[in-house]
Amino acid sequence: AQKVTQAQTEISVVEKEDVTLDCVYETRDTTYYLFWYKQPPSGELVFLIRRNSFDEQNEISGRYSWNFQKSTSSFNFTITASQVVDSAVYFCALEGTGRRALTFGSGTRLQVQP
Amino acid sequence: DTGVSQDPRHKITKRGQNVTFRCDPISEHNRLYWYRQTLGQGPEFLTYFQNEAQLEKSRLLSDRFSAERPKGSFSTLEIQRTEQGDSAMYLCASSFIGEWGNYGYTFGSGTRLTVV
Repeated sequence: AQKVTQAQTEISVVEKEDVTLDCVYETRDTTYYLFWYKQPPSGELVFLIRRNSFDEQNEISGRYSWNFQKSTSSFNFTITASQVVDSAVYFCALEGTGRRALTFGSGTRLQVQP
Repeated sequence: DTGVSQDPRHKITKRGQNVTFRCDPISEHNRLYWYRQTLGQGPEFLTYFQNEAQLEKSRLLSDRFSAERPKGSFSTLEIQRTEQGDSAMYLCASSFIGEWGNYGYTFGSGTRLTVV
């Protein structure tokens, strides 16, 4: 069975603060993929990143960065210098080699106040 | 191709009625997924197709739910005898799975179902 846990239900920060969203996963697969999606108020899921379980290099894309630690089964997401437009619900998800479909966490709602 | 399209965007129905949703995936994609998302939760997997074959159904998909993907193109999700607990956002996604695995998912905007 696969499971994704996002323990932070809601986070509120002030614009320009850095914020980290936590994601912990469980899987028995040795090969798997981890994803982050953003869901703004419009409702559409917007793809942010896909990471292979064999690639533990951290990744940075503009103000976004991801820290993958296989030893702790975590795939955390940091937004640097947050902006109001970052306000959304963020989902972490896992795809194993068995089902080949996504298992989502329950999401973290991020509110960035001006 | 403009992405994954879902129709309708919103549906309000009376308890006991049948409803059908449609999903048009990205044309090059060979996989199509249905998810359900309730308020404050992440999307939950319902079923998926590879081309026209339905490969897996979740335990969430009761006998009142049926999905089809004729000819491996668009898909329909039908809910018979709707119940208030069926109220949710129904999301469709498509992807291409090839030699090196799944190349990523594209989600539609969803169909929001309200059962009154």
